[in-house]
Amino acid sequence: EDQVTQSPEALRLQEGESSSLNCSYTVSGLRGLFWYRQDPGKGPEFLFTLYSAGEEKEKERLKATLTKKESFLHITAPKPEDSATYLCAVKGGGSNYKLTFGKGTLLTVNP
Amino acid sequence: EPEVTQTPSHQVTQMGQEVILRCVPISNHLYFYWYRQILGQKVEFLVSFYNNEISEKSEIFDDQFSVERPDGSNFTLKIRSTKLEDSAMYFCASSNGEGWFFFGQGTRLTVV
Repeated sequence: EDQVTQSPEALRLQEGESSSLNCSYTVSGLRGLFWYRQDPGKGPEFLFTLYSAGEEKEKERLKATLTKKESFLHITAPKPEDSATYLCAVKGGGSNYKLTFGKGTLLTVNP
Repeated sequence: EPEVTQTPSHQVTQMGQEVILRCVPISNHLYFYWYRQILGQKVEFLVSFYNNEISEKSEIFDDQFSVERPDGSNFTLKIRSTKLEDSAMYFCASSNGEGWFFFGQGTRLTVV
């Protein structure tokens, strides 16, 4: 069964203080690792899909990287509007359709 | 920008009543999904739908649940006899099969 563990559960940063969120996964035959942003009471907002170890993707202050066992979401010089829960999900080889999510990291950026 | 649209945004229902949650997926997508998120917990897969049939379902998706694509644009989730533990956010998602999964804003279902 596919498993996703995210750490830390919560992270509080000062504006401009860069950091990284971790997503460790166990999956048989990774077919995609996904990062989403979720604001309170809203649906997950798509950020990135990564497919193979060594792959990196960037969007504004966010950069996602992937190894064979984990993914990192690096946040450079965050702003208060980056405050949200960041979700990691995997699509494994055992399923053509299902995403398995982690519990998320709640990021708070203080001005 | 294309988006997945869900209605209603909030539904309150009495235990034992039937509810239908509605979704309009992104127009050129072929794969449709329902997920749910109980307050404070993970987003959980319920069911996927492709080519007018269920392609995969989780253990949560038992006989009280059903899905339907009644026309070319809508995708619905029916819960036949709601229980208190069905209270959750229900998210519809759609995909083009190429690794892009987009979620709607959700329907908050409250069973009283």
